[in-house]
Amino acid sequence: EDQVTQSPEALRLQEGESSSLNCSYTVSGLRGLFWYRQDPGKGPEFLFTLYSAGEEKEKERLKATLTKKESFLHITAPKPEDSATYLCAVQVRNYGGSQGNLIFGKGTKLSVKP
Amino acid sequence: DTAVSQTPKYLVTQMGNDKSIKCEQNLGHDTMYWYKQDSKKFLKIMFSYNNKELIINETVPNRFSPKSPDKAHLNLHINSLELGDSAVYFCASSQSRGLFPGELFFGEGSRLTVL
Repeated sequence: EDQVTQSPEALRLQEGESSSLNCSYTVSGLRGLFWYRQDPGKGPEFLFTLYSAGEEKEKERLKATLTKKESFLHITAPKPEDSATYLCAVQVRNYGGSQGNLIFGKGTKLSVKP
Repeated sequence: DTAVSQTPKYLVTQMGNDKSIKCEQNLGHDTMYWYKQDSKKFLKIMFSYNNKELIINETVPNRFSPKSPDKAHLNLHINSLELGDSAVYFCASSQSRGLFPGELFFGEGSRLTVL
């Protein structure tokens, strides 16, 4: 069964304390891996797409990397405004009969204290 | 100007009632989705709709029915509501580009509470 597991479930950091979030996946055929950010009471907001092992994407203090079994979201010198839940999702070949649907992990809730 | 908008944002109703949630996107995308986020925060696909082709997740009860009057709208109608239907429902859209539909743009969600 296709599965996405994120760890840790929650992460508390001090402002400026760098860390990484993990997304491991077991899927039959990966077409793409996505990172989203979700603020309380809001819908997920797209951050990155990664398609192949070794690929990296960066945006401000965030950097996403991909291997054949997992992805990392590295947060460098985080600020309080980076506090949110970060969701990982995979796009799987022919999931549910559609090529475009995503399987989401449960997310990592990040809190950054000033 | 909101890209993907859903109404209502909150919906409280009794078991057995029928309700609808509306979604509109002004991004010109050709694919729209309904996702359900349960109390454990798990986001799960319910439907995707592309050029009048509806793809249904097999785990969705047939009490749920999506209706798309045009490419920019995808509504969700729920019959005979049950307690377990309480969740946040997200509408999303994307633009298909060859084999990859691209990233999803989500609405702010509609929180449904069934009493």
